[in-house]
Amino acid sequence: SAVISQKPSRDICQRGTSLTIQCQVDSQVTMMFWYRQQPGQSLTLIATANQGSEATYESGFVIDKFPISRPNLTFSTLTVSNMSPEDSSIYLCSVAHSLRQRSSGYTFGSGTRLTVV
Amino acid sequence: AQTVTQSQPEMSVQEAETVTLSCTYDTSESDYYLFWYKQPPSRQMILVIRQEAYKQQNATENRFSVNFQKAAKSFSLKISDSQLGDAAMYFCAYSPGVMKGAQKLVFGQGTRLTINP
Repeated sequence: SAVISQKPSRDICQRGTSLTIQCQVDSQVTMMFWYRQQPGQSLTLIATANQGSEATYESGFVIDKFPISRPNLTFSTLTVSNMSPEDSSIYLCSVAHSLRQRSSGYTFGSGTRLTVV
Repeated sequence: AQTVTQSQPEMSVQEAETVTLSCTYDTSESDYYLFWYKQPPSRQMILVIRQEAYKQQNATENRFSVNFQKAAKSFSLKISDSQLGDAAMYFCAYSPGVMKGAQKLVFGQGTRLTINP
C-alpha cells in the first residue's frame, strides 16, 4: 500500500489567516480524499481531489473556504482559509487503492492537528 | 445513501480479556467492503481488518476477527487477549466494491476502547 507524508503535523494559527496542508504520496494514485475530524468526532469527508479536474466538495463544504490543489498523481494540498476557532480540527488526507477497478483499501496520512486562536 | 452506525460510544475491557465492538450498516448494494480502523492518540488511522461482502468466511487477523452477518447488515469486531496497546478509537467503515468515479469511505461514529490493566 502507499505511504503518505502529511505536513504540518500540527499548527496553531490566528483567526482570519489561512493554512495550507500538504500530502505527498510515494506512488501514483487516482483519487485523494480530504477529511475533517472535529474533537471527539468521526471523520467527515470535505472533498475528493482527482488529478486534472476540479475537486468535488461534499455538502456543507465550499471551495472558497477549503481550496484544494491536485497538480499531479502524487501530491495534493488543502487550504483552510479565513480561519475561525470552529475550524480547529484534525485534517487527514487519504488515498484509495484499486486493483482491476475493485477497491483494495484506503491509506491515511498522519493528520494535521489545527488549533485556531 | 449508505450509513454506518456504531451504537457503543465507549467500551472497556480487562487486559487479556475479549471484547466485541458492534457495527451495523445500511446499503442497497450487494458488492462492497467493510473495514475496521483503529485511531490511537497519535491520530494515525490504522487498518485493523477488512471484509469483502461476497466472501462468506469471516476475516481474521491474529487477535482480531469479525462476525459478518450480511443479511442482518452487521459487522462486529472481536478482539481477543486484549492488550494495553489496543486502547484507541475504533471506526467501522464502508466502501463500494467497484471503483467507479470517486468512491469514498463512510465512517461510523466510533467506539472508544479502554483497556484496564
